Amino acid sequence: DSGVTQTPKHLITATGQRVTLRCSPRSGDLSVYWYQQSLDQGLQFLIQYYNGEERAKGNILERFSAQQFPDLHSELNLSSLELGDSALYFCASSVEPGLVVGELFFGEGSRLTVL
Amino acid sequence: AQRVTQPEKLLSVFKGAPVELKCNYSYSGSPELFWYVQYSRQRLQLLLRHISRESIKGFTADLNKGETSFHLKKPFAQEEDSAMYYCALTYTGTASKLTFGTGTRLQVTL
Repeated sequence: DSGVTQTPKHLITATGQRVTLRCSPRSGDLSVYWYQQSLDQGLQFLIQYYNGEERAKGNILERFSAQQFPDLHSELNLSSLELGDSALYFCASSVEPGLVVGELFFGEGSRLTVL
Repeated sequence: AQRVTQPEKLLSVFKGAPVELKCNYSYSGSPELFWYVQYSRQRLQLLLRHISRESIKGFTADLNKGETSFHLKKPFAQEEDSAMYYCALTYTGTASKLTFGTGTRLQVTL
């Protein structure tokens, strides 16, 4: 499958802990986007990377950070976890450099549960 | 700041009935509007974009700048249309992120 892949699919952890979510974009896509979907909320944009550089930032908490590596995969790091961080975290990729958004290709998401 | 509003969490219609999924947006510039769909056990995917002015799977959406709306319509609903639908907005500029609405679940029943 050459689509967007995210790992892990499910993750259960405790408050105060730190986790890393991983995303591999579609082959050839240079842009990676991270979204958070909490219960009854739409997809909230967190951050976007293009070819290794941060391109746009949304409502991302200071406890969260991300990066995109030379092989274009991306990681989202969530630290000092709180109950409210429990959500579905989506990664998406696209070809465009970020100035004009076309179609985003989404992964299946990583479901994080903080107990 | 841009915002997308989908007032209905759930829309239930009978097979063969017309469908209209509402989407309103707030943005002062010239937006680009999209509809994304998530079928059961599938990934979120693009359904259509206003700039293409196309009909996909029988669905159309017209951008009404006066009413700041981008409602999704289909004249005759099919069972396979049952899914979660998200309206999304962006604009050409330095920021490229898509702003999504909270989504509407369409349930087509026999």
